Amino acid sequence: AQSVAQPEDQVNVAEGNPLTVKCTYSVSGNPYLFWYVQYPNRGLQFLLKYITGDNLVKGSYGFEAEFNKSQTSFHLKKPSALVSDSALYFCAVRDTEADRGSTLGRLYFGRGTQLTVWP
Amino acid sequence: NAGVTQTPKFQVLKTGQSMTLQCAQDMNHNSMYWYRQDPGMGLRLIYYSASEGTTDKGEVPNGYNVSRLNKREFSLRLESAAPSQTSVYFCASSALQGKGNTIYFGEGSWLTVV
Repeated sequence: AQSVAQPEDQVNVAEGNPLTVKCTYSVSGNPYLFWYVQYPNRGLQFLLKYITGDNLVKGSYGFEAEFNKSQTSFHLKKPSALVSDSALYFCAVRDTEADRGSTLGRLYFGRGTQLTVWP
Repeated sequence: NAGVTQTPKFQVLKTGQSMTLQCAQDMNHNSMYWYRQDPGMGLRLIYYSASEGTTDKGEVPNGYNVSRLNKREFSLRLESAAPSQTSVYFCASSALQGKGNTIYFGEGSWLTVV
């Protein structure tokens, strides 16, 4: 079964410090991995995704994520946090095995991590 | 750049009333989705439409119906609203279903059932 875990409900960092939002996953085959950000009263915005290739993926707004197959993780990182990065972050996974013989290839979301960057 | 547009933004319903959430995308995407978001539960798939003319149930379809009106539009209907359907609803679309295709979301519809 496919699943995503975001072990931290909240992450607090000071502006200018590096930030990490953690994500681990469980799939049968190889994963497609996504990060989304949600600002208050808004929809989810796509940040970045890992499909194949380089384990370090760069995305919007200076964010990057590192795919680690042995640890089944896809942590979101940014070298220097901004107050404007404060938002709810969602990790999501799709199982490549689910694309075989299936018409869905469902995207599974974690419960979200609230990031607060204080001045 | 409209992307995915959904209406209404906010709605209050009484138990037993019906309503339809409208969604349209202008990205020429084939696949469309309806999700609900509840605190601490992430997003859960209600229904999806892999392509025009097809619809299928997701994780939590009970109490909902959908219509893929054409390639652009995908509506979600609550026939008899219940307090348990108080939630934030998101419409989304992707070029194709599955694989590495990115899903793009609308701004959400906040629904309260009293």
